Amino acid sequence: EVQLVQSGAEVKKPGESLRISCKGSGYSFTSHWISWVRQMPGKGLEWMGRIDPSDSYTNYSPSFQGHVTISADKSISTAYLQWSSLKASDTAMYYCARLGGGHRSSYFDYWGQGTLVTVSS
Amino acid sequence: DIQLTQSPSSLSASVGDRVTITCQASQDISNYLNWYQQKPGKAPKLLIYDASNLETGVPSRFSGSGSGTDFAFTISSLQPEDIATYYCQHYDNLPWTFGGGTKVEIK
Repeated sequence: EVQLVQSGAEVKKPGESLRISCKGSGYSFTSHWISWVRQMPGKGLEWMGRIDPSDSYTNYSPSFQGHVTISADKSISTAYLQWSSLKASDTAMYYCARLGGGHRSSYFDYWGQGTLVTVSS
Repeated sequence: DIQLTQSPSSLSASVGDRVTITCQASQDISNYLNWYQQKPGKAPKLLIYDASNLETGVPSRFSGSGSGTDFAFTISSLQPEDIATYYCQHYDNLPWTFGGGTKVEIK
């Protein structure tokens, strides 16, 4: 059974750093890209970026480039989303999602349960 | 960036009604469009990929159509368990984006 299990909720102060994780199981972790998706309170879904776990090649949405870092450790089948300096506006639910499909077909076929990040002084 | 405009932003319908949501892309995206369902407090779930393909295990009352810039998502007979917010999402080129969502409620 394919599963993406994310790390638990976090409460941080502005300016602090944070790394959340997404561990894949039940499939070949290096065979599928992982994306991160943000959902701010009461709002819609925003694609943040993606990583190829086989070589850690990444793409970012311009809206998030430079503010977050996506990485992966294929030896432990885990992807990460990291901030070096959190802002209150980073308060949101963050989902990881596996990219399925093939040639010219891409869709998020499995999702993590979400990690709630709260940034407040 | 490609913008996806979903309408309506919310709707209320009766059990058994046919419900249609539209998603308009700001440029031609061929059939590179997916639909997701998100129930309150849950992660999104893939329903339709490549505009019209039903994901395995998804009830056949859900369907998708369209290509180019205009797409539609239909629930042929609304059920109480379909209460959720529905999102379209394109993957034509980066950055991928989602539509603003359509909240479906029971009348």
